[in-house]
Amino acid sequence: AQTVTQSQPEMSVQEAETVTLSCTYDTSESDYYLFWYKQPPSRQMILVIRQEAYKQQNATENRFSVNFQKAAKSFSLKISDSQLGDAAMYFCAYRSGAGGTSYGKLTFGQGTILTVHP
Amino acid sequence: EAGVAQSPRYKIIEKRQSVAFWCNPISGHATLYWYQQILGQGPKLLIQFQNNGVVDDSQLPKDRFSAERLKGVDSTLKIQPAKLEDSAVYLCASSLDSAGGAGGELFFGEGSRLTVL
Repeated sequence: AQTVTQSQPEMSVQEAETVTLSCTYDTSESDYYLFWYKQPPSRQMILVIRQEAYKQQNATENRFSVNFQKAAKSFSLKISDSQLGDAAMYFCAYRSGAGGTSYGKLTFGQGTILTVHP
Repeated sequence: EAGVAQSPRYKIIEKRQSVAFWCNPISGHATLYWYQQILGQGPKLLIQFQNNGVVDDSQLPKDRFSAERLKGVDSTLKIQPAKLEDSAVYLCASSLDSAGGAGGELFFGEGSRLTVL
């Protein structure tokens, strides 16, 4: 079974600064997808960014980018120019590719609470 | 486009009572998921439907939890009888297909918070 580990229960950052959230995962599969989801206090999960394992290029979405190290099974999220609205719980998640053992469903890490200080 | 709708938002019951949660996925989404999120933890999949068939219910405590998705649209999750450890947020999510549609995205509802006293 696949596992996802987020070793930072809490992180904080000053507004306009950069912060990196860590995530490692364990899998024997070669075809999979990785995601970062944001969960504000209202509880609705929102997709932040996704990465296909077969792509070597790191995904970016505006101020959000990832550092995907496939051999190390590491998938960190970098938030640049942090804003007060970035404050939330962030979850790293794994999904198998087609034919994988967990095809379709997401396996989540424990989450990292991000606080943004003005 | 309307998102995933869930109700009720909050429910407080005593142990051994029963409770039901309802989910209406995004129109046209074939796959529906129920996740349990205990405070301070990541969501854990309880059950996954593709249309009205069950794809994965390996982590559903079947002695007390049940779920159905009639006609492949709305879904209900029931707990009977509830235990203290069932206190959690129950999240419903949907996706176009098992692959999660374009790019693998699941769309989540706001969740139903259950407190068992």
